[in-house]
Amino acid sequence: RKEVEQDPGPFNVPEGATVAFNCTYSNSASQSFFWYRQDCRKEPKLLMSVYSSGNEDGRFTAQLNRASQYISLLIRDSKLSDSATYLCVVNRTGTASKLTFGTGTRLQVTL
Amino acid sequence: DTEVTQTPKHLVMGMTNKKSLKCEQHMGHRAMYWYKQKAKKPPELMFVYSYEKLSINESVPSRFSPECPNSSLLNLHLHALQPEDSALYLCASSQVGTVSEKLFFGSGTQLSVL
Repeated sequence: RKEVEQDPGPFNVPEGATVAFNCTYSNSASQSFFWYRQDCRKEPKLLMSVYSSGNEDGRFTAQLNRASQYISLLIRDSKLSDSATYLCVVNRTGTASKLTFGTGTRLQVTL
Repeated sequence: DTEVTQTPKHLVMGMTNKKSLKCEQHMGHRAMYWYKQKAKKPPELMFVYSYEKLSINESVPSRFSPECPNSSLLNLHLHALQPEDSALYLCASSQVGTVSEKLFFGSGTQLSVL
């Protein structure tokens, strides 16, 4: 089983739709969790950290479920500019060097 | 707009060439990283420097040689590369010692080895 698993997609959604991605992780000792966004041939950019209490940033909501070992990302009112690959990143020890990247979920928002 | 600067943005080199990738950050981060990313794959960790000392080498071939001259700079020296080394090379930095350290990436160097 991979340490971090994501559905590669692509998820094709119309503008204005709500879309959700899940990511599962295998190591129960994982301590911190992130969603990064990556555009084609660009660097990954931190979208948001993920906390047990859930956190929201505008149209984006992230949730962590430690019992089931998954994190989620919800995007409301999708925009064309949201089209990108969303990388789930899990940190085992609290040291950035131990970050494990999922393979990413590709989102395509269409007119 | 990234606060980690990488140069060059694109590089084409032959298998006998020697070239260097450069990375600079002024966020006061004391951990710096090199990642390699192939198309449609996640970034793969190559090297980690912590307080200017190499702390992790993920079994990277010796044709890749990292260097950290000071806390703001990170280089990756390339020599006798193979075509399969063609990829996006990403530099990143982070704070050290916090519970949930976040990586900040540079825009990368797209490397093509002919």
